[in-house]
Amino acid sequence: TQLLEQSPQFLSIQEGENLTVYCNSSSVFSSLQWYRQEPGEGPVLLVTVVTGGEVKKLKRLTFQFGDARKDSSLHITAAQPGDTGLYLCAGAGETSGSRLTFGEGTQLTVNP
Amino acid sequence: DTEVTQTPKHLVMGMTNKKSLKCEQHMGHRAMYWYKQKAKKPPELMFVYSYEKLSINESVPSRFSPECPNSSLLNLHLHALQPEDSALYLCASSLIGETNEQFFGPGTRLTVL
Repeated sequence: TQLLEQSPQFLSIQEGENLTVYCNSSSVFSSLQWYRQEPGEGPVLLVTVVTGGEVKKLKRLTFQFGDARKDSSLHITAAQPGDTGLYLCAGAGETSGSRLTFGEGTQLTVNP
Repeated sequence: DTEVTQTPKHLVMGMTNKKSLKCEQHMGHRAMYWYKQKAKKPPELMFVYSYEKLSINESVPSRFSPECPNSSLLNLHLHALQPEDSALYLCASSLIGETNEQFFGPGTRLTVL
């Protein structure tokens, strides 16, 4: 069974601060997705990383896939209240077929 | 068209009712999924359809019955549900391939009385 440990579980910061969310596993993933979800809505795909060591940027968000494809991080620079939400990482395993392994999520609150 | 749509947005039903959730996508995705999500928790996989055939059933109780009429539509038929089945039900779709990049619909908020 593949597991993705996501941390921190909760994060409350002030507008303008930086933050990093981590997803770690002992398993290798063929790809890893990051989603953001707002209350009562479905998760919205932010990025997919595929190659070990890959770094992708989406405005103030920077995503990194570990060299061994076992871990990933999401860094937000100068957080804004609009960044508030539940952030989920999800990995596609090399042998898990159609299943995604989800982290437990990080509930981010950015206070104005 | 790059979205997954779900109807209804909200559903309240009694334990003796029969209702259906609907999901539609026009992205040409041949894998479609049903998930159940409780508050502040990650989605839990229920069913996967690949090429309109049920490929994964995560030991879901028979009161949940999925159906895939064609490559664009996915239904979830509900009968004799329990209050603990109240949750956000999410549909997702993806291409069939290594990245398994899934696109989610907005969900149906189900309340069972």
